[in-house]
Amino acid sequence: DVKVTQSSRYLVKRTGEKVFLECVQDMDHENMFWYRQDPGLGLRLIYFSYDVKMKEKGDIPEGYSVSREKKERFSLILESASTNQTSMYLCASSLIRTGTYEQYFGPGTRLTVT
Amino acid sequence: AQSVTQPDIHITVSEGASLELRCNYSYGATPYLFWYVQSPGQGLQLLLKYFSGDTLVQGIKGFEAEFKRSQSSFNLRKPSVHWSDAAEYFCAVGAANSGNTPLVFGKGTRLSVIA
Repeated sequence: DVKVTQSSRYLVKRTGEKVFLECVQDMDHENMFWYRQDPGLGLRLIYFSYDVKMKEKGDIPEGYSVSREKKERFSLILESASTNQTSMYLCASSLIRTGTYEQYFGPGTRLTVT
Repeated sequence: AQSVTQPDIHITVSEGASLELRCNYSYGATPYLFWYVQSPGQGLQLLLKYFSGDTLVQGIKGFEAEFKRSQSSFNLRKPSVHWSDAAEYFCAVGAANSGNTPLVFGKGTRLSVIA
């Protein structure tokens, strides 16, 4: 079974802190994604990566950056956390070469910025 | 560009009743279509997917979905709902032959189940 793990289920940070959210997948997937989920807005794509050291902006990249130094790990960075970044953050991964493209999700990190 | 519309934000059904969740997509070529379910506080789990072939696809937990190209729809159905089906459901569309393009998700439909 594919496993996508996220470093924390719940996180509380203060305004202005630098925040790191880590995501690891164990199935050699090429693609990895970061979403945020807010009530009534569904899933919004922040960044994705289709290879090591590659990244593409999603729909809402402002205030975020990412890092992918190894194929299995994709990190989301909030350079200076703000209260409007309080949200549920979901990581996902997918495989290109089988041609099926379904995304596998981690359990999510609920981040509260105070 | 692809887009997905889930017209119903919230649906309430009685336990044992049938269920249909609507999904309409917009995409110019052959779409790949997915339904995901999210239980409270959890990540998303794949229920079923459609790539080609038989337009009626079976998924896990007794769910099925039918692809109707003429209506650009991919509605999710279940003949008899259980209380454990209460969750949020997301429809998603992907572009065929474009493996590094992210799926596009609808905003979700929240399902409540009453006794």
